[in-house]
Amino acid sequence: GAVVSQHPSWVICKSGTSVKIECRSLDFQATTMFWYRQFPKQSLMLMATSNEGSKATYEQGVEKDKFLINHASLTLSTLTVTSAHPEDSSFYICSASAALAPGGNNEKLFFGSGTQLSVL
Amino acid sequence: ELKVEQNPLFLSMQEGKNYTIYCNYSTTSDRLYWYRQDPGKSLESLFVLLSNGAVKQEGRLMASLDTKARLSTLHITAAVHDLSATYFCAVDMTSTDKLIFGTGTRLQVFP
Repeated sequence: GAVVSQHPSWVICKSGTSVKIECRSLDFQATTMFWYRQFPKQSLMLMATSNEGSKATYEQGVEKDKFLINHASLTLSTLTVTSAHPEDSSFYICSASAALAPGGNNEKLFFGSGTQLSVL
Repeated sequence: ELKVEQNPLFLSMQEGKNYTIYCNYSTTSDRLYWYRQDPGKSLESLFVLLSNGAVKQEGRLMASLDTKARLSTLHITAAVHDLSATYFCAVDMTSTDKLIFGTGTRLQVFP
């Protein structure tokens, strides 16, 4: 299947610093990318939807000034957690939506490997 | 507001037994996904169900979708330890690949 690379997979930072997470579709062009957050033993919560070249759409309750999303190309979206605090510690996962199913099997939504963020 | 509920939240079952996980959702949708998640890992795609009555099977897992009842099931046949994981269903309400996830079912299979 298609590959979505997410980097870094694990990051520890001090409170007040900013962290950037990258999500790349390696072998297809992603018309849309999504960012999710998952707290321990909980489900995934959608944070925002990003389309290449336009502003991200944030879900209710997600601070757009804190979670900056840039979708500069059809293969790359970045999430920057600005002035991170311990409560931002979470597992962040991106997904990428292909215009057409790369494998021809109706599957056109692919998830990255996730980033575990720990803020001290 | 779309709600996606899974039942049960936690399932401990013996190897060799069968069981079904249920996924109910509150708004019309004809696109439903099932994923598996191992601890500390991202999601592994299991099934994509795109129409009413869709049934898909892979190994010991079988998924079905009833869009009229707004219900999907994930049936486990003759469970083995390797199936221990958390299983999520997710609904695409607007056919835009924007998914709303269920609460998750943590499955533990013991000898």
